[in-house]
Amino acid sequence: GEDVEQSLFLSVREGDSSVINCTYTDSSSTYLYWYKQEPGAGLQLLTYIFSNMDMKQDQRLTVLLNKKDKHLSLRIADTQTGDSAIYFCAEYGDSSYKLIFGSGTRLLVRP
Amino acid sequence: NAGVMQNPRHLVRRRGQEARLRCSPMKGHSHVYWYRQLPEEGLKFMVYLQKENIIDESGMPKERFSAEFPKEGPSILRIQQVVRGDSAAYFCASSPPGLADSTDTQYFGPGTRLTVL
Repeated sequence: GEDVEQSLFLSVREGDSSVINCTYTDSSSTYLYWYKQEPGAGLQLLTYIFSNMDMKQDQRLTVLLNKKDKHLSLRIADTQTGDSAIYFCAEYGDSSYKLIFGSGTRLLVRP
Repeated sequence: NAGVMQNPRHLVRRRGQEARLRCSPMKGHSHVYWYRQLPEEGLKFMVYLQKENIIDESGMPKERFSAEFPKEGPSILRIQQVVRGDSAAYFCASSPPGLADSTDTQYFGPGTRLTVL
């Protein structure tokens, strides 16, 4: 079946790097996404990666994709207190429109 | 370009009442998706609609829930005779028609937080 898994919690110091990990089961996914959700807010699209790429960098964000292990990670460089939020990875699985979300990783940035 | 809009942002209902949640997609978008987020969980797909058509409602409970996206006006998610277990955040997303946006990206609204007393 389709499943996306994430670790539940990550705590880092301000200025350090954060790495949020995600594993997925469906190898047919074309795109994989990272969304950010701040308390009481909606989902903000952070970045995405096409499945034929290994890495994508976007300012402080680096996405790494290991298709063989079905592992996706999001690295945030120089983490700031404003980065404290829940981060969801998501994929389409075998559908072209039905996003499947992980349960989210709660990132806490300590001053 | 305004983003996806949802209203109300917060909705309180007593058991047995009806809840109506509205979603206006981004300008130029004709595909609408509804997701539900239970406390401490990720989002779960409910239904996918295009104008005047329900494409996939496989994630929606068979009883009490319905969705529409009329030719004019917002998409509506309707929950009849609400129960406490319906308390959740309901998110709407939209995407452009066809593959105009090559990322097939869904853009999310701020959500409606439904509380059933």
